[in-house]
Amino acid sequence: AQSVTQPDIHITVSEGASLELRCNYSYGATPYLFWYVQSPGQGLQLLLKYFSGDTLVQGIKGFEAEFKRSQSSFNLRKPSVHWSDAAEYFCAVGSNFGNEKLTFGTGTRLTIIP
Amino acid sequence: KAGVTQTPRYLIKTRGQQVTLSCSPISGHRSVSWYQQTPGQGLQFLFEYFSETQRNKGNFPGRFSGRQFSNSRSEMNVSTLELGDSALYLCATCVGPGQPQHFGDGTRLSIL
Repeated sequence: AQSVTQPDIHITVSEGASLELRCNYSYGATPYLFWYVQSPGQGLQLLLKYFSGDTLVQGIKGFEAEFKRSQSSFNLRKPSVHWSDAAEYFCAVGSNFGNEKLTFGTGTRLTIIP
Repeated sequence: KAGVTQTPRYLIKTRGQQVTLSCSPISGHRSVSWYQQTPGQGLQFLFEYFSETQRNKGNFPGRFSGRQFSNSRSEMNVSTLELGDSALYLCATCVGPGQPQHFGDGTRLSIL
């Protein structure tokens, strides 16, 4: 069965500092991988996705993620965070038969300090 | 282009009642999935519909059911509500296989 682990429940970074959120997945074949962001009281917004090809994917809001098959990881990065990036971030995996059934990690809450 | 619309946004029910939640997908999206989000269990997949047929189902009791109409709109129903059903219910839609899901803002269901 597929699974996702986000080892960091809560991360605090200073505005302007770099950010890396960790995600490890378990899946038998090449997975579809996603990062979503959720602000309080709202749904999930897709930041970026990996289906195949280039292992470094660019997303919205200046985020990028790198797929590393050997480490079963798909870490999210941003070179300089803004106060508006404070939110909860979810990594998810979908099967390569279709990604209509996503398995999510438990999320990482990001706090930005001035 | 309008996003995924979920109604109502908030709902308060009492134990034993039933509830119906609605999801209108983005135009052209034929797949509709439902997820339950709680602080304790996180985001859990409920079921997915495509062309009015349920294609995937998560590990939820039979009290949770859904359907999809010919215009791709979907409803989910929860019968005999329990306190533990209090959650944010999210709907996600996509064009089809291999495409990313787009989420609505959810329905916040509170059971008293």
